[in-house]
Amino acid sequence: NAGVTQTPKFRVLKTGQSMTLLCAQDMNHEYMYWYRQDPGMGLRLIHYSVGEGTTAKGEVPDGYNVSRLKKQNFLLGLESAAPSQTSVYFCASSYSPDRNYEQYFGPGTRLTVT
Amino acid sequence: GQNIDQPTEMTATEGAIVQINCTYQTSGFNGLFWYQQHAGEAPTFLSYNVLDGLEEKGRFSSFLSRSDSYGYLLLQELQMKDSASYLCAAMDSNYQLIWGAGTKLIIKP
Repeated sequence: NAGVTQTPKFRVLKTGQSMTLLCAQDMNHEYMYWYRQDPGMGLRLIHYSVGEGTTAKGEVPDGYNVSRLKKQNFLLGLESAAPSQTSVYFCASSYSPDRNYEQYFGPGTRLTVT
Repeated sequence: GQNIDQPTEMTATEGAIVQINCTYQTSGFNGLFWYQQHAGEAPTFLSYNVLDGLEEKGRFSSFLSRSDSYGYLLLQELQMKDSASYLCAAMDSNYQLIWGAGTKLIIKP
């Protein structure tokens, strides 16, 4: 039981390049989330999904796109990376939050945009 | 707007007790959470309170007062491995978590 995994762990991009971050969970969770964590700030929700084939915007969605084609996977895309997107990105998953509240986090992806 | 306030940094001595406070302002309220995050690692769940009062879980306890929009995390018998950031988060009416910036706890021998 691997829990929540993320790939890659580290990445350096040049401004304007694109990339996709992959999140996978093996706990059969309905909900999945993408957060970014910046120094001195709390985790901020980028996008989330309440089930396969659904996605919704969070607090800071601009510049990111997501897809959830399979229940176990949640992809985060950056179409044209900007230095402001330098951050640590965490994926999390949970059961429906109205019956089980704990979110399980992946190990994070450290992204630098130059 | 929605906001979580918690101290930026606290220092305590090994074996002592420390209380990390958190105040919240959210649209609706479905509970207060505490997560622990060691440097360079992912947050891990510590506790959840939705009713007023104290929840005890070993060396860690968490308290909530809904009327004061206030909670705290109490860590007893501090160990060096407790050096970490402690994240307070409140769940709003849409069941989304609003996160504080975290309290970095430094334990000195």
